[in-house]
Amino acid sequence: DAGVIQSPRHEVTEMGQEVTLRCKPISGHDYLFWYRQTMMRGLELLIYFNNNVPIDDSGMPEDRFSAKMPNASFSTLKIQPSEPRDSAVYFCATLAWHGYTFGSGTRLTVV
Amino acid sequence: AQKITQTQPGMFVQEKEAVTLDCTYDTSDPSYGLFWYKQPSSGEMIFLIYQGSYDQQNATEGRYSLNFQKARKSANLVISASQLGDSAMYFCAMREDSNYQLIWGAGTKLIIKP
Repeated sequence: DAGVIQSPRHEVTEMGQEVTLRCKPISGHDYLFWYRQTMMRGLELLIYFNNNVPIDDSGMPEDRFSAKMPNASFSTLKIQPSEPRDSAVYFCATLAWHGYTFGSGTRLTVV
Repeated sequence: AQKITQTQPGMFVQEKEAVTLDCTYDTSDPSYGLFWYKQPSSGEMIFLIYQGSYDQQNATEGRYSLNFQKARKSANLVISASQLGDSAMYFCAMREDSNYQLIWGAGTKLIIKP
């Protein structure tokens, strides 16, 4: 089991550009979560899916953010257009039974 | 209202000593779970230990144990015989069983001194 796989590990982009973050969940884990971590706000839940269906997207900051899960093995978080305040570490996590397993995160820097 | 409180922003502990990291929580849901995660400087989130609200015994995982005091709504993490590699941020989190979101504390930065 390779765990939750996120790509890229690091992303540096210019303000206004589109950014796409990717996540491959652990097979069989029905829930997938996208979190954002910053020094100021800590860990924030952005959105989560159950069986590929978005359940709660109330944490998505604004319309510039969108997330999809087209199948059980892939999810994306897109920011368009990106802004410097979007700089953060973005985590994807999955849930089976009690345990949440996190990916290594994507460190996004918007300059 | 803040649901998870970690009152220790930072701690310094001598190597080989035991460490207690504090966590208090607030919920009206009778069924919930409490988690501790470790985040080293490399950034990954590592699951340490889980305690269910109906579990009769305190959870233990190797050198980690959870001191669960339900009436006081506290779920402190105890690390026995600390090691240099224990230096990291430690987060307490809660999930109310009425939904699947994890609610996070602000974290405690633990530094183990040689």
